[in-house]
Amino acid sequence: ETGVTQTPRHLVMGMTNKKSLKCEQHLGHNAMYWYKQSAKKPLELMFVYSLEERVENNSVPSRFSPECPNSSHLFLHLHTLQPEDSALYLCASSRLLAGGLDTQYFGPGTRLTVL
Amino acid sequence: SQQGEEDPQALSIQEGENATMNCSYKTSINNLQWYRQNSGRGLVHLILIRSNEREKHSGRLRVTLDTSKKSSSLLITASRAADTASYFCATRGQGAQKLVFGQGTRLTINP
Repeated sequence: ETGVTQTPRHLVMGMTNKKSLKCEQHLGHNAMYWYKQSAKKPLELMFVYSLEERVENNSVPSRFSPECPNSSHLFLHLHTLQPEDSALYLCASSRLLAGGLDTQYFGPGTRLTVL
Repeated sequence: SQQGEEDPQALSIQEGENATMNCSYKTSINNLQWYRQNSGRGLVHLILIRSNEREKHSGRLRVTLDTSKKSSSLLITASRAADTASYFCATRGQGAQKLVFGQGTRLTINP
């Protein structure tokens, strides 16, 4: 266990559904991340939150909407997704250090399938 | 792009042998990290090496960094079946806030 939990572990949704992915970290970290991992592609950074403020948005389509209500929780709200959005969505957290962000600790991921 | 590129993409060896994976990157870095991922699971941090370090050890893992060649290698000694996984290098650039991951090396240890 890495101290980062994600729910649900598996999600199947239609293109018109609205769902949310949840991530919780129990490590006292103050930075959190969403990544997308598709087959045969490098891990893609989607969003970075540092001290509950979004500091990075890597040109992610608006059908993905992140929310960070506090330093321990991170959500990814999904609506009107496309089949190509099917992937493993990974959450990570880290400490925020003066020189940048520290080693990242990953959750087990949510396997998302969009029909 | 700063993206790390691992080599080889896939490696299959016998249990007990050593496994070596390489990573190359393109721009100056603050540090380089190696992660392991078991199939369909999250990534687990293995080791971090800073730009002013040349070699680092952790148990059966040995990481080297050559900043002049912009490359790093991960050596796993006396491999075990449980080492079967994908291994990723990730770089953090100077002054950058994010890690950039490579595509990974898929390592298979045959019993």
